[in-house]
Amino acid sequence: AQSVTQPDIHITVSEGASLELRCNYSYGATPYLFWYVQSPGQGLQLLLKYFSGDTLVQGIKGFEAEFKRSQSSFNLRKPSVHWSDAAEYFCALWNAGNMLTFGGGTRLMVKP
Amino acid sequence: GAVVSQHPSWVICKSGTSVKIECRSLDFQATTMFWYRQFPKQSLMLMATSNEGSKATYEQGVEKDKFLINHASLTLSTLTVTSAHPEDSSFYICSAREFSNQPQHFGDGTRLSIL
Repeated sequence: AQSVTQPDIHITVSEGASLELRCNYSYGATPYLFWYVQSPGQGLQLLLKYFSGDTLVQGIKGFEAEFKRSQSSFNLRKPSVHWSDAAEYFCALWNAGNMLTFGGGTRLMVKP
Repeated sequence: GAVVSQHPSWVICKSGTSVKIECRSLDFQATTMFWYRQFPKQSLMLMATSNEGSKATYEQGVEKDKFLINHASLTLSTLTVTSAHPEDSSFYICSAREFSNQPQHFGDGTRLSIL
């Protein structure tokens, strides 16, 4: 079985501050991991993905994520948050087949 | 590349109406399409997986007679919510992929509101 946990349901940061969203997974093999962002009423936009290779992956909009096998984590980071980053963020694990498992999501709010 | 289009983006209709949602892959052939449902402030829940030309595989707890899925071509899958009721109101998102070793590409979702 595979599962994804996003421990933080809500996070609030000030504009310009750094951000880290946590994602932990459980999977018996090498995971394929994704981070998506969803604005209210919108679909999912892929921020970045990890398949193999360099464990620090760069994505769009200045986001990056680091895969840590020893910690079963794939945390999303951004050095300086913008007000437009306020949205729901989903971490997801793909088993290279038909199963894409989503975490529960983290709602990011940005204070001016 | 890898664009998935969903239509309509928002639909409001009366209780008892059947509603059809389309999911199209615009620049690739989608051998497999997926339908998800998302309740407010919750994560995506897989409803069913469909392979072109085959019957859809529904997840446990999803009524196949309620949510009819057709995947008759390599670029189009439809989800029909039959005799929709207010509890069917939700955000429905489709995704598609070309080959089994490739990740899914998501549509922009359809907001369904049943009055």
